[in-house]
Amino acid sequence: NAGVTQTPKFRVLKTGQSMTLLCAQDMNHEYMYWYRQDPGMGLRLIHYSVGEGTTAKGEVPDGYNVSRLKKQNFLLGLESAAPSQTSVYFCASRPLRDIPYNEQFFGPGTRLTVL
Amino acid sequence: SQQGEEDPQALSIQEGENATMNCSYKTSINNLQWYRQNSGRGLVHLILIRSNEREKHSGRLRVTLDTSKKSSSLLITASRAADTASYFCATDSGAGSYQLTFGKGTKLSVIP
Repeated sequence: NAGVTQTPKFRVLKTGQSMTLLCAQDMNHEYMYWYRQDPGMGLRLIHYSVGEGTTAKGEVPDGYNVSRLKKQNFLLGLESAAPSQTSVYFCASRPLRDIPYNEQFFGPGTRLTVL
Repeated sequence: SQQGEEDPQALSIQEGENATMNCSYKTSINNLQWYRQNSGRGLVHLILIRSNEREKHSGRLRVTLDTSKKSSSLLITASRAADTASYFCATDSGAGSYQLTFGKGTKLSVIP
């Protein structure tokens, strides 16, 4: 199993450009999450999904949209990138039930720079 | 807002010594988890302690939880250079979405 994968690994955007980050998991997990991590900070939740076709806002959702059309994929979109969105983005997933630990499984991250 | 706050922000020790990191949180929790992040990598789950537990062990890791003080500690015994990483506590409030709220982390450096 590949676990949680993220594409791309790195990206540089200009202010106002748009892009989509892809997260894929092959563990048949119900829940998926998008976080951002800024220097000296922990992870902050952007959006999450509790199942295919559902999405919900996290702590810092402004400027981002998400979609979960397929259970294994969770897309994060930036419609008009701003320098404040320069960050490292992490995707995570977890199963529906405790197994017995309800840990989240993380992808390797996408480093995004907005100029 | 950050639920967990780790202390210290950075810690430097010699190989073989023990490392202790603390985490404080603000609201009631269902469980508290510790994650490790190696430089430039994603987070890896280390250990989980439920709100009705006081202490848990896993290998060289020992976690304690004091719900009356809203605090937890992570002890790594006999540290190794490979333990060099950032360590984050994360709290699960018990909401149905299993959201985690992370602290800012402790950066541990283990000197060979």
